[in-house]
Amino acid sequence: EAGVAQSPRYKIIEKRQSVAFWCNPISGHATLYWYQQILGQGPKLLIQFQNNGVVDDSQLPKDRFSAERLKGVDSTLKIQPAKLEDSAVYLCASSSVGGLGYGYTFGSGTRLTVV
Amino acid sequence: GQQLNQSPQSMFIQEGEDVSMNCTSSSIFNTWLWYKQEPGEGPVLLIALYKAGELTSNGRLTAQFGITRKDSFLNISASIPSDVGIYFCAGPLYGGSQGNLIFGKGTKLSVKP
Repeated sequence: EAGVAQSPRYKIIEKRQSVAFWCNPISGHATLYWYQQILGQGPKLLIQFQNNGVVDDSQLPKDRFSAERLKGVDSTLKIQPAKLEDSAVYLCASSSVGGLGYGYTFGSGTRLTVV
Repeated sequence: GQQLNQSPQSMFIQEGEDVSMNCTSSSIFNTWLWYKQEPGEGPVLLIALYKAGELTSNGRLTAQFGITRKDSFLNISASIPSDVGIYFCAGPLYGGSQGNLIFGKGTKLSVKP
């Protein structure tokens, strides 16, 4: 079974620029999550999708972050404009409906550096 | 708000030693999860606990779901160099069974051969 695919692996941008990350979940997984992991911390949930609908975006900084999951499969997370404090690893995860624990799989992440 | 407190923050041990780490919360959790993260990778689930008092093993790893439902413990026996990484506890963000997870800050494990 292929895992959660994310790209790019690394990105360096200047502050105030825009950036987008892409995620392809495990085939058949209805639920997709984006997490932000700042250095030295655990991952923090940004947004949860069920199919192509948003279930929870209460922790997403909506003034600069946006995410979409068209057709209920792939997802993109965008930051516009980026700030220095957005430097982090952005992790995508997917699970089957209501899945917790086994079957809830993370990708390898995109490491963003804002300079 | 919800918070998971992990201790210790880091551990430096000799190969072959046993390791214990724990995670506490001010609120009740119905599920406790233990993940390991290696450099450049996403977290990988080690053990999932679904019932208060539950004790579950996965090879040399053993985890327990505390009776109060506000804590959990992870033990690693006879550590080896490949145990190096950051261990995170996690639980459902809103204390329920949905997939939104809250993570602790992690315990960084270093193993000296």
